[in-house]
Amino acid sequence: AQSVTQPDIHITVSEGASLELRCNYSYGATPYLFWYVQSPGQGLQLLLKYFSGDTLVQGIKGFEAEFKRSQSSFNLRKPSVHWSDAAEYFCAVGPREYGNKLVFGAGTILRVKS
Amino acid sequence: EAGVAQSPRYKIIEKRQSVAFWCNPISGHATLYWYQQILGQGPKLLIQFQNNGVVDDSQLPKDRFSAERLKGVDSTLKIQPAKLEDSAVYLCASSLGQISNQPQHFGDGTRLSIL
Repeated sequence: AQSVTQPDIHITVSEGASLELRCNYSYGATPYLFWYVQSPGQGLQLLLKYFSGDTLVQGIKGFEAEFKRSQSSFNLRKPSVHWSDAAEYFCAVGPREYGNKLVFGAGTILRVKS
Repeated sequence: EAGVAQSPRYKIIEKRQSVAFWCNPISGHATLYWYQQILGQGPKLLIQFQNNGVVDDSQLPKDRFSAERLKGVDSTLKIQPAKLEDSAVYLCASSLGQISNQPQHFGDGTRLSIL
């Protein structure tokens, strides 16, 4: 069965510091990979996605993620965190075949210290 | 473009009562999804529509949950009767189609509290 693991429930970083959020997946084949962000009281916004090609993908708001097939990982990074980045971040996987069904991780809550 | 619209934003009911949520997807999006997001968890797909047909409802508790998308645009999700464990945020999403590289766009959700 497909599953997504986000090992960190909460992460706190200082404003201006770098950030890495971890995501590991279990899937029959290499899936499509996504990172979404959810601010309090709002829906999910797509940050970035990986389908194929370059394993380092750029997203909105200065985020990037790296796909590592050997580790079944898709970690999200940002070189310098801003206070407005405080939110919950979800990693998700979807099938390469027809269907567009996403499986989400449990999320990581990011807190930013000023 | 206008985003996915959901209403109401909040709903408080007592257990055993019924409740309905409404979703209007992005114009032209053929695929519509309803997710349940319990506190501390990621969203879980309840049902997926392609136009007005159900693609996947394998995780929908059909003894109490129902959903429809009669004209292939708006959708309604109903719970009857509600249980305490139904307290969650219900998210609606839409995408152009079922090809997996067509991103899903989410509404702001309806937060349901069961007393």
